Amino acid sequence: KQEVTQIPAALSVPEGENLVLNCSFTDSAIYNLQWFRQDPGKGLTSLLLIQSSQREQTSGRLNASLDKSSGRSTLYIAASQPGDSATYLCAGDYGGSQGNLIFGKGTKLSVKP
Amino acid sequence: DVKVTQSSRYLVKRTGEKVFLECVQDMDHENMFWYRQDPGLGLRLIYFSYDVKMKEKGDIPEGYSVSREKKERFSLILESASTNQTSMYLCASSRGLRLFFGSGTQLSVL
Repeated sequence: KQEVTQIPAALSVPEGENLVLNCSFTDSAIYNLQWFRQDPGKGLTSLLLIQSSQREQTSGRLNASLDKSSGRSTLYIAASQPGDSATYLCAGDYGGSQGNLIFGKGTKLSVKP
Repeated sequence: DVKVTQSSRYLVKRTGEKVFLECVQDMDHENMFWYRQDPGLGLRLIYFSYDVKMKEKGDIPEGYSVSREKKERFSLILESASTNQTSMYLCASSRGLRLFFGSGTQLSVL
């Protein structure tokens, strides 16, 4: 069974710290992996998408990597800010159906001023 | 800018009622999806649609149906609402690989 796991479930850091969020998946036959951000009571916003042929993607202070052989993806956030506080979810696309993603349960990030 | 709009932010319904959740996207996307999100369970796919009048069951379709009469609109229907359908419902659309979500509808069934 294909599963996506995010550990830890919650993380608290002081403002300005660089941090890494982890995502692991059980099946390496992954087509692509997406990272999303979710603010409380809101929908998900797509942050970065890494296709299986890529190793990483960058957007501003965010950098996501994908290592299929180890079944891992990381989201690196540089110089964290209180506005980065949110739940971050990763989702693996195994190509079973277009857009049918397998989601992790998320890491709730709190950045303290 | 990409926009997926869910008609209601909060809904309170009674057990046994028929409930309609509406979702509209303005990006001419072929694919649309309905998920529910519950604490500890994460996001689970209910139904999705590749095209007008097309629908496919997701992981948890029981107790739900969908309608897609026009490309931009995808409706989720709870035929007879039950308390275990209290949840956050999220609509999404895609063309290609990226998913775009609406803001969600928090449904409470009493």
